[in-house]
Amino acid sequence: AQSVTQLGSHVSVSEGALVLLRCNYSSSVPPYLFWYVQYPNQGLQLLLKYTSAATLVKGINGFEAEFKKSETSFHLTKPSAHMSDAAEYFCAVILPNTGFQKLVFGTGTRLLVSP
Amino acid sequence: GAVVSQHPSRVICKSGTSVKIECRSLDFQATTMFWYRQFPKQSLMLMATSNEGSKATYEQGVEKDKFLINHASLTLSTLTVTSAHPEDSSFYICSATIQSTDTQYFGPGTRLTVL
Repeated sequence: AQSVTQLGSHVSVSEGALVLLRCNYSSSVPPYLFWYVQYPNQGLQLLLKYTSAATLVKGINGFEAEFKKSETSFHLTKPSAHMSDAAEYFCAVILPNTGFQKLVFGTGTRLLVSP
Repeated sequence: GAVVSQHPSRVICKSGTSVKIECRSLDFQATTMFWYRQFPKQSLMLMATSNEGSKATYEQGVEKDKFLINHASLTLSTLTVTSAHPEDSSFYICSATIQSTDTQYFGPGTRLTVL
């Protein structure tokens, strides 16, 4: 079975500081991995995705994530936090052999950015 | 591109009534649409997967007679919550994919409140 774990339900940073949101997956087959952002009372917006190409993936809004098979991780980073980055972030996986179906989400991490 | 809309954005109804939520792909044909449910401060849980012209596939524990899904065209899927009760109050989010791609595009969500 596939699952995804996000460590830390809340992460607090100061504006301008490094953002690091953690995501680990459990799968014997490297899955497709995604990071989505959700602003209050809104749907999800795709930040970036990994689909077995380059292990360092750059996304929108200055975010990037690195797929590390040895650590089964796909942590999300941003060098300098902005107030507008405050939101809920979800890591998600799809196993390639499910026909690109069944996106399984982690429990989410709320990013708080203080001035 | 790849915009998904939902209507209504908010709905309040009385217990025992039925509510229909629409999900539309505005600028692409969606071969597959997904319906998720999100409780406050929790992650998204997949309810069902619908393919145009065929019956929806429901996840374990989701009552198909209570949550009726219709995917009549490549741009429209509807979720009808029948005989709604207060415990059905939640945030319902749809997503859509383009054929043979792995990325789901999410709608803005519909907040259902059952009194």
